[in-house]
Amino acid sequence: LAKTTQPISMDSYEGQEVNITCSHNNIATNDYITWYQQFPSQGPRFIIQGYKTKVTNEVASLFIPADRKSSTLSLPRVSLSDTAVYYCLVGGWTDKLIFGTGTRLQVFP
Amino acid sequence: DTEVTQTPKHLVMGMTNKKSLKCEQHMGHRAMYWYKQKAKKPPELMFVYSYEKLSINESVPSRFSPECPNSSLLNLHLHALQPEDSALYLCASSQETSSSYEQYFGPGTRLTVT
Repeated sequence: LAKTTQPISMDSYEGQEVNITCSHNNIATNDYITWYQQFPSQGPRFIIQGYKTKVTNEVASLFIPADRKSSTLSLPRVSLSDTAVYYCLVGGWTDKLIFGTGTRLQVFP
Repeated sequence: DTEVTQTPKHLVMGMTNKKSLKCEQHMGHRAMYWYKQKAKKPPELMFVYSYEKLSINESVPSRFSPECPNSSLLNLHLHALQPEDSALYLCASSQETSSSYEQYFGPGTRLTVT
């Protein structure tokens, strides 16, 4: 199971783009990269998942370079409601979902 | 319906009590999970059920006893808990057991052991 490293916290202002980078140097060939968001006293919520290159959905984009040793979650034009903890997870078909320490994003008005 | 429900929302119990947490999903998912989360920490996996059978027990103390009566329901029976067991208990489900499948989490049960 590949270990992930993320910044402990980040600050931003409303309307800005936020990029959270996750390092996973020992990612395996069949590992996926998944991001979850968690608000206080709620369960985590799936944001996006990718394997390589770029994935985009209605809430975020995920950029994965060719070597796959890192990934970047991009949140366009954040609002106060994006204040949350963001978890990067890496794992394959047979792996359990193991949460790392996460990044605490604080958005200011 | 993409919702996982958990009851109760809050639970206060003494160390000699027996209580149960309940979780329900109607998405046809065949994998269900229990996680424990302490304040300002990431969720920690406790148990995994696959097709109603226990597939993973993360060395959880026997005072926590999971049960999967059918594919939609998951229970966690609690007995003789300790104050350090106070935490948010999260239930989740996914199509199959694999980190590549999206997990849907419930809102959690906030447990306080006195």
